Amino acid sequence: AQRVTQPEKLLSVFKGAPVELKCNYSYSGSPELFWYVQYSRQRLQLLLRHISRESIKGFTADLNKGETSFHLKKPFAQEEDSAMYYCALRSHSGNTPLVFGKGTRLSVIA
Amino acid sequence: DAGVIQSPRHEVTEMGQEVTLRCKPISGHNSLFWYRQTMMRGLELLIYFNNNVPIDDSGMPEDRFSAKMPNASFSTLKIQPSEPRDSAVYFCASSEVGNEQFFGPGTRLTVL
Repeated sequence: AQRVTQPEKLLSVFKGAPVELKCNYSYSGSPELFWYVQYSRQRLQLLLRHISRESIKGFTADLNKGETSFHLKKPFAQEEDSAMYYCALRSHSGNTPLVFGKGTRLSVIA
Repeated sequence: DAGVIQSPRHEVTEMGQEVTLRCKPISGHNSLFWYRQTMMRGLELLIYFNNNVPIDDSGMPEDRFSAKMPNASFSTLKIQPSEPRDSAVYFCASSEVGNEQFFGPGTRLTVL
Protein backbone atom coordinates (compact mmCIF):
# COMPACT_ATOMS: atom_id res chain seq x y z
CA ALA A 1 0.00 0.00 0.00
CA GLN A 2 1.12 3.53 -0.70
CA ARG A 3 1.56 5.66 2.37
CA VAL A 4 3.27 8.91 3.27
CA THR A 5 4.07 9.68 6.88
CA GLN A 6 4.89 13.11 8.23
CA PRO A 7 5.46 12.52 11.93
CA GLU A 8 5.31 16.15 13.04
CA LYS A 9 2.03 18.07 12.90
CA LEU A 10 3.70 21.27 14.02
CA LEU A 11 7.30 22.41 13.92
CA SER A 12 8.43 25.68 15.43
CA VAL A 13 11.91 27.09 14.82
CA PHE A 14 13.60 30.42 15.31
CA LYS A 15 14.51 32.60 12.37
CA GLY A 16 17.96 31.67 11.12
CA ALA A 17 17.85 28.18 12.58
CA PRO A 18 18.04 25.07 10.39
CA VAL A 19 14.82 23.33 9.44
CA GLU A 20 14.13 19.70 8.69
CA LEU A 21 10.63 18.48 7.87
CA LYS A 22 10.48 14.73 7.96
CA CYS A 23 8.79 12.52 5.41
CA ASN A 24 8.83 8.74 5.17
CA TYR A 25 7.04 6.71 2.58
CA SER A 26 5.87 3.21 1.87
CA TYR A 27 5.65 2.13 -1.77
CA SER A 28 6.28 -1.14 -3.52
CA GLY A 29 7.54 0.28 -6.81
CA SER A 30 9.56 3.27 -7.94
CA PRO A 31 7.83 6.41 -6.73
CA GLU A 32 8.13 10.07 -7.53
CA LEU A 33 8.36 12.21 -4.41
CA PHE A 34 7.19 15.80 -4.04
CA TRP A 35 6.95 18.57 -1.50
CA TYR A 36 3.97 20.91 -1.75
CA VAL A 37 3.56 24.10 0.27
CA GLN A 38 0.44 26.02 1.24
CA TYR A 39 1.01 29.57 2.47
CA SER A 40 -1.73 31.26 4.46
CA ARG A 41 -4.81 31.86 2.30
CA GLN A 42 -3.09 30.61 -0.83
CA ARG A 43 -3.50 27.50 -2.91
CA LEU A 44 -1.33 24.44 -2.64
CA GLN A 45 1.72 24.75 -4.86
CA LEU A 46 4.62 22.54 -5.80
CA LEU A 47 7.81 23.35 -3.93
CA LEU A 48 10.09 20.70 -5.37
CA ARG A 49 10.22 17.19 -6.78
CA HIS A 50 12.98 14.68 -6.31
CA ILE A 51 13.64 14.07 -10.00
CA SER A 52 14.55 17.70 -10.62
CA ARG A 53 17.12 17.74 -7.81
CA GLU A 54 16.93 21.51 -7.49
CA SER A 55 16.82 23.94 -4.63
CA ILE A 56 13.77 26.14 -4.35
CA LYS A 57 13.64 29.07 -1.92
CA GLY A 58 16.67 27.54 -0.23
CA PHE A 59 14.92 24.21 0.39
CA THR A 60 16.37 20.88 -0.69
CA ALA A 61 15.19 17.30 -0.33
CA ASP A 62 17.10 14.12 -1.05
CA LEU A 63 15.43 10.83 -1.76
CA ASN A 64 16.91 8.12 0.44
CA LYS A 65 15.63 4.82 -0.89
CA GLY A 66 17.32 2.81 1.84
CA GLU A 67 15.51 4.70 4.56
CA THR A 68 12.47 5.41 2.36
CA SER A 69 12.68 9.05 3.32
CA PHE A 70 12.42 12.39 1.56
CA HIS A 71 13.10 14.95 4.27
CA LEU A 72 12.88 18.65 3.43
CA LYS A 73 15.72 20.83 4.65
CA LYS A 74 16.73 24.45 4.77
CA PRO A 75 19.87 25.70 6.51
CA PHE A 76 18.47 29.05 7.67
CA ALA A 77 14.73 29.48 8.21
CA GLN A 78 13.00 32.73 7.27
CA GLU A 79 9.73 34.09 8.61
CA GLU A 80 8.18 33.83 5.16
CA ASP A 81 8.75 30.07 5.26
CA SER A 82 5.91 29.73 7.75
CA ALA A 83 3.34 27.57 6.00
CA MET A 84 1.83 24.11 5.75
CA TYR A 85 4.10 21.59 4.04
CA TYR A 86 2.89 18.37 2.45
CA CYS A 87 5.00 15.48 1.29
CA ALA A 88 3.47 13.44 -1.53
CA LEU A 89 4.25 10.53 -3.78
CA ARG A 90 2.93 9.00 -6.95
CA SER A 91 3.79 6.15 -9.23
CA HIS A 92 6.68 6.80 -11.58
CA SER A 93 4.59 5.66 -14.49
CA GLY A 94 1.68 7.48 -15.98
CA ASN A 95 -0.57 10.18 -14.72
CA THR A 96 -1.65 8.88 -11.36
CA PRO A 97 -2.90 10.81 -8.35
CA LEU A 98 -0.75 12.05 -5.53
CA VAL A 99 -0.82 10.36 -2.15
CA PHE A 100 -0.29 13.00 0.51
CA GLY A 101 1.03 12.96 4.03
CA LYS A 102 -1.05 14.75 6.64
CA GLY A 103 1.17 17.79 6.52
CA THR A 104 3.45 19.67 8.88
CA ARG A 105 2.79 23.23 9.88
CA LEU A 106 6.07 25.14 10.05
CA SER A 107 6.14 28.21 12.22
CA VAL A 108 9.24 30.40 12.05
CA ILE A 109 9.56 32.66 15.05
CA ALA A 110 11.28 36.02 14.76
CA ASP B 1 -3.96 31.64 -17.60
CA ALA B 2 -5.85 32.06 -14.32
CA GLY B 3 -4.93 28.60 -13.20
CA VAL B 4 -7.44 26.10 -11.92
CA ILE B 5 -10.70 27.84 -11.07
CA GLN B 6 -13.10 26.61 -8.42
CA SER B 7 -16.47 27.89 -7.40
CA PRO B 8 -17.88 28.72 -5.02
CA ARG B 9 -14.99 29.60 -2.72
CA HIS B 10 -17.17 29.21 0.34
CA GLU B 11 -20.41 27.33 0.77
CA VAL B 12 -22.55 27.13 3.88
CA THR B 13 -25.56 24.87 3.72
CA GLU B 14 -27.88 22.93 5.93
CA MET B 15 -27.83 19.20 6.42
CA GLY B 16 -29.84 17.43 3.76
CA GLN B 17 -29.31 20.02 1.06
CA GLU B 18 -27.64 19.31 -2.25
CA VAL B 19 -24.22 20.86 -2.78
CA THR B 20 -22.48 21.27 -6.15
CA LEU B 21 -18.84 22.23 -6.39
CA ARG B 22 -17.39 23.33 -9.72
CA CYS B 23 -13.95 23.20 -11.27
CA LYS B 24 -12.42 24.54 -14.46
CA PRO B 25 -9.02 22.96 -15.13
CA ILE B 26 -6.13 24.65 -16.88
CA SER B 27 -6.64 24.62 -20.63
CA GLY B 28 -4.77 21.76 -22.26
CA HIS B 29 -4.53 19.64 -19.13
CA ASN B 30 -6.00 16.21 -19.62
CA SER B 31 -6.16 14.98 -16.04
CA LEU B 32 -8.36 16.31 -13.28
CA PHE B 33 -8.33 15.37 -9.60
CA TRP B 34 -10.72 16.06 -6.71
CA TYR B 35 -9.23 16.04 -3.19
CA ARG B 36 -10.76 16.64 0.22
CA GLN B 37 -8.83 18.23 3.08
CA THR B 38 -9.77 17.83 6.74
CA MET B 39 -7.87 18.32 9.96
CA MET B 40 -8.20 14.69 10.91
CA ARG B 41 -7.41 13.00 7.61
CA GLY B 42 -5.34 15.56 5.72
CA LEU B 43 -5.60 15.56 1.91
CA GLU B 44 -7.43 12.61 0.42
CA LEU B 45 -8.10 11.80 -3.21
CA LEU B 46 -11.79 11.43 -3.97
CA ILE B 47 -11.77 10.77 -7.73
CA TYR B 48 -9.73 11.49 -10.82
CA PHE B 49 -10.36 11.72 -14.54
CA ASN B 50 -8.09 11.21 -17.53
CA ASN B 51 -9.39 12.67 -20.79
CA ASN B 52 -12.78 13.26 -19.14
CA VAL B 53 -13.14 9.60 -18.15
CA PRO B 54 -13.33 8.66 -14.45
CA ILE B 55 -10.41 6.36 -13.69
CA ASP B 56 -10.57 5.78 -9.96
CA ASP B 57 -13.44 6.78 -7.69
CA SER B 58 -12.55 4.49 -4.81
CA GLY B 59 -11.95 7.52 -2.62
CA MET B 60 -15.51 8.74 -2.91
CA PRO B 61 -16.82 8.19 0.60
CA GLU B 62 -20.41 7.22 -0.14
CA ASP B 63 -23.09 7.10 -2.79
CA ARG B 64 -24.05 10.58 -1.68
CA PHE B 65 -20.97 11.80 -3.56
CA SER B 66 -20.86 11.93 -7.34
CA ALA B 67 -18.57 13.61 -9.86
CA LYS B 68 -18.84 14.35 -13.54
CA MET B 69 -16.64 15.74 -16.24
CA PRO B 70 -18.85 16.44 -19.25
CA ASN B 71 -16.03 18.09 -21.20
CA ALA B 72 -12.36 18.96 -20.94
CA SER B 73 -13.01 22.33 -19.34
CA PHE B 74 -15.48 21.57 -16.61
CA SER B 75 -16.09 19.19 -13.72
CA THR B 76 -18.56 19.03 -10.86
CA LEU B 77 -18.57 17.30 -7.50
CA LYS B 78 -22.01 16.84 -6.04
CA ILE B 79 -23.05 15.84 -2.54
CA GLN B 80 -26.68 14.86 -2.10
CA PRO B 81 -27.81 14.89 0.65
CA SER B 82 -25.08 16.73 2.52
CA GLU B 83 -24.16 15.93 6.12
CA PRO B 84 -22.16 17.86 8.76
CA ARG B 85 -19.26 15.40 8.44
CA ASP B 86 -18.85 16.48 4.83
CA SER B 87 -17.55 19.84 6.05
CA ALA B 88 -14.06 20.23 4.62
CA VAL B 89 -12.05 22.06 1.99
CA TYR B 90 -12.44 20.49 -1.44
CA PHE B 91 -9.60 20.97 -3.91
CA CYS B 92 -9.55 20.42 -7.62
CA ALA B 93 -6.23 19.93 -9.43
CA SER B 94 -5.28 19.41 -13.06
CA SER B 95 -2.19 18.30 -14.93
CA GLU B 96 -0.76 17.19 -18.22
CA VAL B 97 0.26 13.57 -18.37
CA GLY B 98 3.15 12.90 -16.00
CA ASN B 99 3.63 16.52 -15.07
CA GLU B 100 3.04 18.74 -12.07
CA GLN B 101 -0.45 18.96 -10.61
CA PHE B 102 -1.77 22.49 -10.29
CA PHE B 103 -4.29 23.11 -7.56
CA GLY B 104 -7.28 25.39 -7.40
CA PRO B 105 -7.93 27.65 -4.42
CA GLY B 106 -10.37 25.19 -2.90
CA THR B 107 -13.99 25.38 -1.79
CA ARG B 108 -14.57 25.57 1.93
CA LEU B 109 -17.79 23.68 2.64
CA THR B 110 -19.65 23.99 5.92
CA VAL B 111 -22.70 21.80 6.48
CA LEU B 112 -24.73 22.85 9.49
